[in-house]
Amino acid sequence: EAGVAQSPRYKIIEKRQSVAFWCNPISGHATLYWYQQILGQGPKLLIQFQNNGVVDDSQLPKDRFSAERLKGVDSTLKIQPAKLEDSAVYLCASSLVAGTDQPQHFGDGTRLSIL
Amino acid sequence: SQQGEEDPQALSIQEGENATMNCSYKTSINNLQWYRQNSGRGLVHLILIRSNEREKHSGRLRVTLDTSKKSSSLLITASRAADTASYFCATVSGAGTALIFGKGTTLSVSS
Repeated sequence: EAGVAQSPRYKIIEKRQSVAFWCNPISGHATLYWYQQILGQGPKLLIQFQNNGVVDDSQLPKDRFSAERLKGVDSTLKIQPAKLEDSAVYLCASSLVAGTDQPQHFGDGTRLSIL
Repeated sequence: SQQGEEDPQALSIQEGENATMNCSYKTSINNLQWYRQNSGRGLVHLILIRSNEREKHSGRLRVTLDTSKKSSSLLITASRAADTASYFCATVSGAGTALIFGKGTTLSVSS
């Protein structure tokens, strides 16, 4: 089966600019997650979708970050305006259902550098 | 916030040796999972152990869980150069399904 697809792989922008990331989960996976991974740390959850509804966005900085999942399939994560501290890898993951015993399947991420 | 803390932060061994990584966590959990991340890539699920399980095996991997000490260990036997990667423990707690990761252990296996 095809894995989780993310694009772009790399993005360099200046602070205060905007940027968007795209994720296509594994076909049929109802649950989609966006994580932020700062260099040297483990991933941190930003937002979780179940189909096209938001389950958890408690750690999403909503003044600058937004995310949507159209038709319960693809998802986009946007940052506007970007800050230096947003430099990180943004990982998308999906799982078949929202059960606690479901492994998550990760894409290779988008590496964002803020100048 | 980080739930798990892996120990050691970095580990260097020779091919054929065993590698042991430890993870401690703070709150009660539903399960604990281990993931591997190769440089520049996403995370790959290795193994899941439920809170009522004490030990689990998968190929060259052995995971133990001690809920009384809130700790887990991952043992990789007969390490190979291809095992070089960062290893993360992640926990699932309460009604949520999102993973809470530790900072990871970087394993280097030299041939």
